[in-house]
Amino acid sequence: AQTVTQSQPEMSVQEAETVTLSCTYDTSESDYYLFWYKQPPSRQMILVIRQEAYKQQNATENRFSVNFQKAAKSFSLKISDSQLGDAAMYFCAYRSAYGGATNKLIFGTGTLLAVQP
Amino acid sequence: KAGVTQTPRYLIKTRGQQVTLSCSPISGHRSVSWYQQTPGQGLQFLFEYFSETQRNKGNFPGRFSGRQFSNSRSEMNVSTLELGDSALYLCASSLGGHPSTDTQYFGPGTRLTVL
Repeated sequence: AQTVTQSQPEMSVQEAETVTLSCTYDTSESDYYLFWYKQPPSRQMILVIRQEAYKQQNATENRFSVNFQKAAKSFSLKISDSQLGDAAMYFCAYRSAYGGATNKLIFGTGTLLAVQP
Repeated sequence: KAGVTQTPRYLIKTRGQQVTLSCSPISGHRSVSWYQQTPGQGLQFLFEYFSETQRNKGNFPGRFSGRQFSNSRSEMNVSTLELGDSALYLCASSLGGHPSTDTQYFGPGTRLTVL
């Protein structure tokens, strides 16, 4: 079974600075998808960024980028120029590419990010 | 486009009762997934429906069930409630296409408290 681990329960960053959130996962599959989701205090979760395992190039979405290390099974999220609106719980998630069509996501325990003005 | 809506937003029940939660997906979305979020267990997948058929199920007891209607709206039911069922229940909808482009959009959740 696949597992996702986020070892940083809480992180803090100064506004305009850069912060990196860590995520590691365990799987025996070679093809899969990885995601970072953001859950602000209002609780509605939104997708931040996705990475396809067979793509070596790291995904980037504006100020958000990932460092995907497939051999190390590591998938960290870097937030540049942090803004107050980035304060939220961040979840790393795994989705298998096998077993038929399914939207099942396996989530890590989350990292609570605080942004200091 | 309206987002994913969930009703009710808050619910208080007592042990032994049953409860039904509703999720209305984004218009055009055919896949609806349900997740349970608790401080202790985190986010856990309950089940997914696509075009009225359950196509995946998590590791939850049979007290948890769901269904999807022809308009893609979905309901989940929990029978014989236990204290441990207290949680935030999230639903997510998507078109149900290829995972490289298919994005799940989450609703605000239903906060269930079991007394």
